[in-house]
This record gives sequence, C-alpha cells and structure tokens, in this order.
Amino acid sequence: KAGVTQTPRYLIKTRGQQVTLSCSPISGHRSVSWYQQTPGQGLQFLFEYFSETQRNKGNFPGRFSGRQFSNSRSEMNVSTLELGDSALYLCASSFGLAGNTGELFFGEGSRLTVL
Amino acid sequence: AQSVAQPEDQVNVAEGNPLTVKCTYSVSGNPYLFWYVQYPNRGLQFLLKYITGDNLVKGSYGFEAEFNKSQTSFHLKTPSALVSDSALYFCAVRDLSGGYNKLIFGAGTRLAVHP
Repeated sequence: KAGVTQTPRYLIKTRGQQVTLSCSPISGHRSVSWYQQTPGQGLQFLFEYFSETQRNKGNFPGRFSGRQFSNSRSEMNVSTLELGDSALYLCASSFGLAGNTGELFFGEGSRLTVL
Repeated sequence: AQSVAQPEDQVNVAEGNPLTVKCTYSVSGNPYLFWYVQYPNRGLQFLLKYITGDNLVKGSYGFEAEFNKSQTSFHLKTPSALVSDSALYFCAVRDLSGGYNKLIFGAGTRLAVHP
C-alpha cells in the first residue's frame, strides 16, 4: 500500500508570494491533518479535513488555508508569505478523525524556505 | 488548556543500556496518549498509544510506555537501546478543548545512542 505522498518536497519562495502544497493520503483514509514543524516551535497543528470538511483547526492566521477533494487528496495554501513561514510542512492521514484513532501516517514533508 | 511536555531536549545513552524518554501531560478527562518517532529528513512514525486498559503499553521496535495517572506521565522505555534508535521522539495527547478534537505534540526529545 502506498504511503502518504507530499509534493513538492522542497521549494523556495520570496516574501509576499503564495504557495500551495499537496498531500495524497493512504488509500481509504478519509482524514488529512496538516502540521508545521520548526526548530523553535516544534510541531504545530494547522487543521484537519475529513470527508472534504474542515473538522479541526489550530491557531494559525487566515493566511493559512486548506481544502480536501472528493478523493481525499488535500492541499494547503499559504498566502502573503513571511520569513517566519519557513518550515517543514507535514501532512498526515488516518482512517478516522486523528483525535479518535491517534494513529497518523505522516508524509515526508514539504520543506518551504521563504527568502 | 490541554498540553503535553517533554522535559528533556536530549537524552544520551550507551548502546545496550535501558532508556527512558519522559512525557507529562495535562488534560481534562481521560487522556489519549501517543508516541511517535522521527528519523532524519523523514515524517513521523507511530510507535504506540494508550487509550484505556493496561498501564503498560507495548509498541513497535521494542518500545513500551507506562501510563501513570497519579503522576500524569507517559514515559517511553526500552530495556536495551540500539544505535539505530537514535532519532527524535514526540509524545502527543488528544486535545478536546475549544470544541475541537485534535492531536497536539510535545516539543520532542532527541535520543542519541552511542556505541
């Protein structure tokens, strides 16, 4: 069974630009969660989508948004990039809601550098 | 607010020795607790979870964790560390605050096993 796939793996943007990251979950998984990982802040929860609906949300500004498609693939978008948005963005899928199962399957991440 | 803490940034241990990676939590109600491991340049991998039942939980790669309700702890242990266990370890807890149901992670503990 294929794992969680995130694209692109690496990208460089400049301040003020926007970026879209993609996540393909494990086949059959309906939940996709997004996390931001930085050395200083650790793993911060962004949001979770389940059956195309945002079910849970972290404490990030509105510049961070996401969506999920009918095939469970998910995208997250960050608009008006700031230097502090440089991070590893991790996507994780699970069969049910992440908080209920706790068994998340993570992708290898998309490393975003903002110059 | 519900939270999880990993008091040690790094743990150093010699190969073959037992090791403990500490985790404490603060949640209302019954805790759902999890451990994940992250190898360099990879996403996180699920190790084990406690939801209910026996306080000693066995997981992947020879690890186990002990749930202690009175001390609000969920320490990760192995009786004999391997060099290949060197990685970043995250404790996580289910957070139901704010009407949400999400996993929040500790800051991580870097484990270094020396030959």
